[in-house]
Amino acid sequence: GENVEQHPSTLSVQEGDSAVIKCTYSDSASNYFPWYKQELGKRPQLIIDIRSNVGEKKDQRIAVTLNKTAKHFSLHITETQPEDSAVYFCAAMHSSASKIIFGSGTRLSIRP
Amino acid sequence: DADVTQTPRNRITKTGKRIMLECSQTKGHDRMYWYRQDPGLGLRLIYYSFDVKDINKGEISDGYSVSRQAQAKFSLSLESAIPNQTALYFCATSDTTGTGLYRQYFGPGTRLTVT
Repeated sequence: GENVEQHPSTLSVQEGDSAVIKCTYSDSASNYFPWYKQELGKRPQLIIDIRSNVGEKKDQRIAVTLNKTAKHFSLHITETQPEDSAVYFCAAMHSSASKIIFGSGTRLSIRP
Repeated sequence: DADVTQTPRNRITKTGKRIMLECSQTKGHDRMYWYRQDPGLGLRLIYYSFDVKDINKGEISDGYSVSRQAQAKFSLSLESAIPNQTALYFCATSDTTGTGLYRQYFGPGTRLTVT
């Protein structure tokens, strides 16, 4: 079955700098890759997602890149702000399996 | 996201008790899911349902059962609670947009403690 590994588990960056979180997946047939943000005590919320027929997607300060050959995808946050502090989860989904497998999460802290 | 609600929000129960967690949604989605979240382990799928007549086990279904009473309601039961089922439980719904984007929308979570 699908396995998703996420790194790093914790990340601290200076406000205004960029943050990058990386994930690898095992099932080459996976074709949907969402990223979720979970603030302390809150529910996970989708921040960006990408399908396997697209290599990169951007939404303001957030971007996701996908390398299908290497089976890895990354979240990039530019010009980080205090409100970006949260736990971020990547996930992968194989459409025929129709279920999402989540990575173990990255705790991002933004230093003022 | 107020369209997905969970009750109760917090529950403390004793070992061996049966407990039910409920999830309701007004999003009109066919697909519903139950996840468990433990520190450092992310979200793990317990059960999922694609419609009222379709129930599927996830990666950690042992010790749990579910009921899909209607399109809008999906309940999770712990038949005989044990302490290692102490966790944060999330319900989620998913639409199938036709573009292959299976976006999931989570409820607020239920914090369950088994003593």
